[in-house]
Amino acid sequence: GAVVSQHPSWVICKSGTSVKIECRSLDFQATTMFWYRQFPKQSLMLMATSNEGSKATYEQGVEKDKFLINHASLTLSTLTVTSAHPEDSSFYICSARGDRGRNEQYFGPGTRLTVT
Amino acid sequence: DAKTTQPTSMDCAEGRAANLPCNHSTISGNEYVYWYRQIHSQGPQYIIHGLKNNETNEMASLIITEDRKSSTLILPHATLRDTAVYYCIVRASGTYKYIFGTGTRLKVLA
Repeated sequence: GAVVSQHPSWVICKSGTSVKIECRSLDFQATTMFWYRQFPKQSLMLMATSNEGSKATYEQGVEKDKFLINHASLTLSTLTVTSAHPEDSSFYICSARGDRGRNEQYFGPGTRLTVT
Repeated sequence: DAKTTQPTSMDCAEGRAANLPCNHSTISGNEYVYWYRQIHSQGPQYIIHGLKNNETNEMASLIITEDRKSSTLILPHATLRDTAVYYCIVRASGTYKYIFGTGTRLKVLA
């Protein structure tokens, strides 16, 4: 149980285009999902917290107009990187908080974004 | 959120116990300690968590000191597949955010 998927697993896009990444909780409902970014040889950095049906809460320094987050259902959150640039190339990981009183986060496998 | 401090790297012989320490000296009474690991280019995997008491599951044991200022994750019989970066995270009650530190890179040696 507690499986989280991400799609796509990797994507290459051209500078200036937008990319959407999906995060799904497969066998549980997730009222809260989180988006992280990880650069090579670095730790995970929390970008935003997403609650179903409400606006995401972004961490300091994360541009909300560049990283659009939508959490339309209890099993799906999406991150759209708008007008991507090479410096946005990174490993993007989502997580979902378990339901039924379990508060640990379960992480997706990550999406590697390369902007050329 | 309480800050955690972990050694940058550790080696462990295959088959031996791996003991990974974490210092969280500023932890407060309602903050939980979580452990995750991340194998290269994958999402972090949940291992175990605790508040005050020691915990054990099929993956590992978590020993929390009485003053709760530090904890140790124990992998009883390390295998090569346990090679990963291990993160100790303190989560404040009432918030579900994780703030990741630098973690410990564990290398299990054959």
